[in-house]
Amino acid sequence: NAGVTQTPKFRILKIGQSMTLQCAQDMNHNYMYWYRQDPGMGLKLIYYSVGAGITDKGEVPNGYNVSRSTTEDFPLRLELAAPSQTSVYFCASSFRANPRREQYFGPGTRLTVT
Amino acid sequence: AQKVTQAQTEISVVEKEDVTLDCVYETRDTTYYLFWYKQPPSGELVFLIRRNSFDEQNEISGRYSWNFQKSTSSFNFTITASQVVDSAVYFCALSDSNSGYSTLTFGKGTMLLVSP
Repeated sequence: NAGVTQTPKFRILKIGQSMTLQCAQDMNHNYMYWYRQDPGMGLKLIYYSVGAGITDKGEVPNGYNVSRSTTEDFPLRLELAAPSQTSVYFCASSFRANPRREQYFGPGTRLTVT
Repeated sequence: AQKVTQAQTEISVVEKEDVTLDCVYETRDTTYYLFWYKQPPSGELVFLIRRNSFDEQNEISGRYSWNFQKSTSSFNFTITASQVVDSAVYFCALSDSNSGYSTLTFGKGTMLLVSP
């Protein structure tokens, strides 16, 4: 299994541009998550999904959109990039919302908006 | 609301020293789950341990040990005989019914620097 994969690894955007961060998992996990990590801060939840067709907002959803058309994929869309969205983005997945199940994380995408 | 506090921003030790990373949590639930993750310089997050609120037994795994105390709402992590490879950011996280146990609330992390 490849686990959780994310593309791209790095990206520089200009203010106002849009892009999609890709996330895929091959573990047949129901739950998928998007976090952002700012320097010196913990991870903050942007959006999560409990299954195909179902998404929900996390702590910091403004400026982002998600979709979940398949179990495997959970892309994160930035429509109008702003400098405040400069961050490292992590995608994660877990088998169920069973807290005995840890979340598995992707390698991250480092995004810079200038 | 749930909250996780890691008061130590950065800790520096010399190899072979023991080091304890503190984690204090807040939750109104009686059933909740606590986690520790490690983020080495390469950037990925690695799961270390999970503990449910009903199990207050301390756990030891090699050089790692965890001390869970409900009375003080703490879940501290100790590395014995630290090594340079232990250098990383360590995150404590909480899952409770506020999110239907479906999401994690992370602390801000503690950066551990182990020098030779």
